[in-house]
Parts: sequence; C-alpha cells; structure tokens
Amino acid sequence: GQNIDQPTEMTATEGAIVQINCTYQTSGFNGLFWYQQHAGEAPTFLSYNVLDGLEEKGRFSSFLSRSKGYSYLLLKELQMKDSASYLCAVFNNAGNMLTFGGGTRLMVKP
Amino acid sequence: GAVVSQHPSRVICKSGTSVKIECRSLDFQATTMFWYRQFPKQSLMLMATSNEGSKATYEQGVEKDKFLINHASLTLSTLTVTSAHPEDSSFYICSARVGGEMNYGYTFGSGTRLTVV
Repeated sequence: GQNIDQPTEMTATEGAIVQINCTYQTSGFNGLFWYQQHAGEAPTFLSYNVLDGLEEKGRFSSFLSRSKGYSYLLLKELQMKDSASYLCAVFNNAGNMLTFGGGTRLMVKP
Repeated sequence: GAVVSQHPSRVICKSGTSVKIECRSLDFQATTMFWYRQFPKQSLMLMATSNEGSKATYEQGVEKDKFLINHASLTLSTLTVTSAHPEDSSFYICSARVGGEMNYGYTFGSGTRLTVV
C-alpha cells in the first residue's frame, strides 16, 4: 500500500517563508505532485518532481529526495492569498493514478 | 491549457433519489478519468478509475452499484450516485491526465458539492 504524511496545519506570517514537508512510502514511485486547493474549489497544479533535487517556480519551490521518501514545498514572500490547503500526491506507475496525502492547511496571518 | 468541465457545481437532492455528475475534457481526449470524493477538512480519496469503453475500476470499500460510472466517449465520464443518503453528502471531483508529459500534471474539474437532505 501507500502511506503519505504531511502536517495537518501550519501558520505563517505574511512576507515570510514556509516549508511544508511530505514523507511517503510507496512501491512503484514515479513522481510526486504538489497541489494548492482553496476551500470549496478544485486543486490546482503547483509542481511535479520525479528526480532528486529542487525545482523552482517563482515564489514556490519543491524538493524531492527519493532515497529518503521525502519532499517539501517551499513558499517564499508569503501573501494572504496563499492561505489554502497544500496537497502532496504520489504517482504510482503501476496503477497510473495519484494518491493524495491528507493535505496541510496553511494560514497566512498579517 | 487543458480544461476539465464538471457539472453541476452544486446539487441538493432528497434521500433516495439519484444524482448524475458529468465531467468533460474540453480540448483533449481523456481515455482515463479519476473520480475523487472529499469530506470537509480531509484530502481527496480516490473512488474509482473510469476507462473509456470498458468497466470502471473501483477502490476498496466503494460500492460499484451505488456509484455508477460511465465513460462512453473520449471526452465524457459520468458518475451517478444512486439512492443517495445524507452520508453521501460530499465534494466530488473528477480528474484527467493531460497528454504524456507528467509536467502537465493532472487537471481537475471544478468539483460538485452534493448535499443530500
């Protein structure tokens, strides 16, 4: 089976940096996604990592270590609109599907 | 970019009735669509994988006779919640993988908020 863990909630201050961690245990790993989801809306794609290392996209960066089963999403220069849930999802090639972690609710305060 | 259109966005129905949710891929062909359910403050749970022209694959614990999936064309998949009960009230979202490049990720529909009264 698959096991994906991420913190349930985090709070950060506007303008600051926050790191959201995700650990996973899975067979047939073929990539990890990060999604942002605002309440009542569908998830939107943020990043995809399949090789070890850091992928940077503007204010958002995502890191993967396959040997450690670990990823993080780094958000810089936090804005109030970044308050949302952040979902870590692992792609399993055998099943050709995504399995989601429980999501991390991030609250950005002034 | 690739768009998955999902309808309705909200529906309220009486216990015992059936509700159909549609997902259409607007500018690409989706041989496979995924149906998720999300309860408040929880993550997305995969219910079933819908395959064009063949039977859907259901996750463990999901009743296939209650959640009917039809994927009759390369651009349309439907989920019908039959004999709905209040415990079926949830946020239902469909998703499709766009093309062969993983960087595109999976595109999600806008979701359907189902309330059974």
